[in-house]
Amino acid sequence: EAGVVQSPRYKIIEKKQPVAFWCNPISGHNTLYWYLQNLGQGPELLIRYENEEAVDDSQLPKDRFSAERLKGVDSTLKIQPAELGDSAVYLCASSFGGQGTEAFFGQGTRLTVV
Amino acid sequence: AQKITQTQPGMFVQEKEAVTLDCTYDTSDQSYGLFWYKQPSSGEMIFLIYQGSYDEQNATEGRYSLNFQKARKSANLVISASQLGDSAMYFCAMREGGSYKLIFGSGTRLLVRP
Repeated sequence: EAGVVQSPRYKIIEKKQPVAFWCNPISGHNTLYWYLQNLGQGPELLIRYENEEAVDDSQLPKDRFSAERLKGVDSTLKIQPAELGDSAVYLCASSFGGQGTEAFFGQGTRLTVV
Repeated sequence: AQKITQTQPGMFVQEKEAVTLDCTYDTSDQSYGLFWYKQPSSGEMIFLIYQGSYDEQNATEGRYSLNFQKARKSANLVISASQLGDSAMYFCAMREGGSYKLIFGSGTRLLVRP
């Protein structure tokens, strides 16, 4: 069974440019998460989807970040415009079932804004 | 308020020895779940072990066991018979009752010496 797939693995962009990340969750997983991981820290939730509905986006900086999960499968996370402080790893995860089930993570996209 | 505390930024262990990684948590919920994830240099977060707050026995998964002390609010990870491949970052995380959000600690970097 394929795991959570993210692309690209690495992205370098200049500040003020837009950038987008893509995530394909594990087949059948209805819950999808985007996490932000700064260097030397644990991941922090940006947004959670239940199927195609964003049910928790309280941590998403909505002035520059947006996300979508069309058809309740793949998801994209966009930043426009990017700032230097956005340099981090963006992790996507998915899960199925109740709160006791683990979330499976992708390898992440490492963003560098120069 | 910090919910998950990992006080060991880095740890060394000799190959084949056991090691304990500390984790304390803070919650007022009676229902919650505790997770440990491993993050190798490749970046992917790998699920290791789960402990529910109502579980009476400590969770075990192969060489991993979780030393759950509810009164002390601690959930330490014990790795037995360390292997070189265990060198990685280890994150403790909590999911409170009624929430699907994983709250992570700052992680512990484990280095296994040959």
